[in-house]
Amino acid sequence: GAGVSQSPSNKVTEKGKDVELRCDPISGHTALYWYRQSLGQGLEFLIYFQGNSAPDKSGLPSDRFSAERTGGSVSTLTIQRTQQEDSAVYLCASSPTSRGLVSYNEQFFGPGTRLTVL
Amino acid sequence: AQSVSQHNHHVILSEAASLELGCNYSYGGTVNLFWYVQYPGQHLQLLLKYFSGDPLVKGIKGFEAEFIKSKFSFNLRKPSVQWSDTAEYFCAVNRGSFQKLVFGTGTRLLVSP
Repeated sequence: GAGVSQSPSNKVTEKGKDVELRCDPISGHTALYWYRQSLGQGLEFLIYFQGNSAPDKSGLPSDRFSAERTGGSVSTLTIQRTQQEDSAVYLCASSPTSRGLVSYNEQFFGPGTRLTVL
Repeated sequence: AQSVSQHNHHVILSEAASLELGCNYSYGGTVNLFWYVQYPGQHLQLLLKYFSGDPLVKGIKGFEAEFIKSKFSFNLRKPSVQWSDTAEYFCAVNRGSFQKLVFGTGTRLLVSP
């Protein structure tokens, strides 16, 4: 596809359940990011993958959150034992950045997954 | 910690009015600066970006922004807004050697016809 895609677009779950959110970045983009957009907190960085390097997990709010990126492409964000405060729109972005040129590329955002925890 | 401040949370303008949205950041080193826009029901799109060079940058749809290093500011401007500019606008910053974006809290702009 031409842009970043995310699935599902909406997810309603019960408190305590695990959820998986998927991101397909733009083909050829080496960097992939997850952000969260929630009322009161704005847009927050969660995690960043760059090629085969260890991910930057500094934004993950708790150990219930984890993410994987398989084959340098698709990424899955997993939230275990969901809480009501996890309700938010989870955004994925990708960038064609590479080492040495990291300052010069924009991030392209997907439409997001709206997560509602009841 | 690096932070981004957008002082205007809600702005209401009539069509043809001029727009200026403030953005200040706290980091003193080299930064890259961005303005993103989110139209109702749509995803974030890049309006414009500053990496280096001319501090006055022009973006899409007639928007421009000026980087003033001494003021740690990157204000967004448009001389004449249209109803279609109704959206939420986010200022964002990242450091030269890092990729994660730090966003401001956003400004909701409503343009009345």
